[in-house]
Amino acid sequence: GIQVEQSPPDLILQEGANSTLRCNFSDSVNNLQWFHQNPWGQLINLFYIPSGTKQNGRLSATTVATERYSLLYISSSQTTDSGVYFCAVYSAGKSTFGDGTTLTVKP
Amino acid sequence: DTAVSQTPKYLVTQMGNDKSIKCEQNLGHDTMYWYKQDSKKFLKIMFSYNNKELIINETVPNRFSPKSPDKAHLNLHINSLELGDSAVYFCASRTRGNTEAFFGQGTRLTVV
Repeated sequence: GIQVEQSPPDLILQEGANSTLRCNFSDSVNNLQWFHQNPWGQLINLFYIPSGTKQNGRLSATTVATERYSLLYISSSQTTDSGVYFCAVYSAGKSTFGDGTTLTVKP
Repeated sequence: DTAVSQTPKYLVTQMGNDKSIKCEQNLGHDTMYWYKQDSKKFLKIMFSYNNKELIINETVPNRFSPKSPDKAHLNLHINSLELGDSAVYFCASRTRGNTEAFFGQGTRLTVV
């Protein structure tokens, strides 16, 4: 099956810093989503981004489907950004999640 | 209104018991899923249903049986619970085709 690798596995930032999270996938995909799992365990949709670039406030994402990767940018990080960030890819009707990047933003 | 809702949010039960987790979506989606998140936070798909029909069953033990009475509901029944079943179970839904998936708030199952 398709492999999804996220990097880095862990990231610690000072409040106000910027960061880039990466998601590599091993085969062509139909779509890709980024999620934030907050400290209470909720999975929050960030972006549905099979290709191209999207922005939502301090967050933006870019997927280059032909090169099989996606990037999530977080600018001016806040403590509320802490949690686990997952990318999930969909192929042949099946979804596969990466192992996530655990982000800790310190005040 | 909550788009994808699961009940209960927490479930503590003894080994050997049978339990069910309910999921309902009010988005009019055709496809529903169950995922399991283990203690290391890894998320794995368990089942996928499209219009009440089982599409994907990812090598899940037979003790797990999904039931879809209609396309807005996908319940998960677990027989003879084992300690290793302890996890957070997420329900999700999306429309047919390549679209965005929406997740419920999760059910934390603890088997003691």
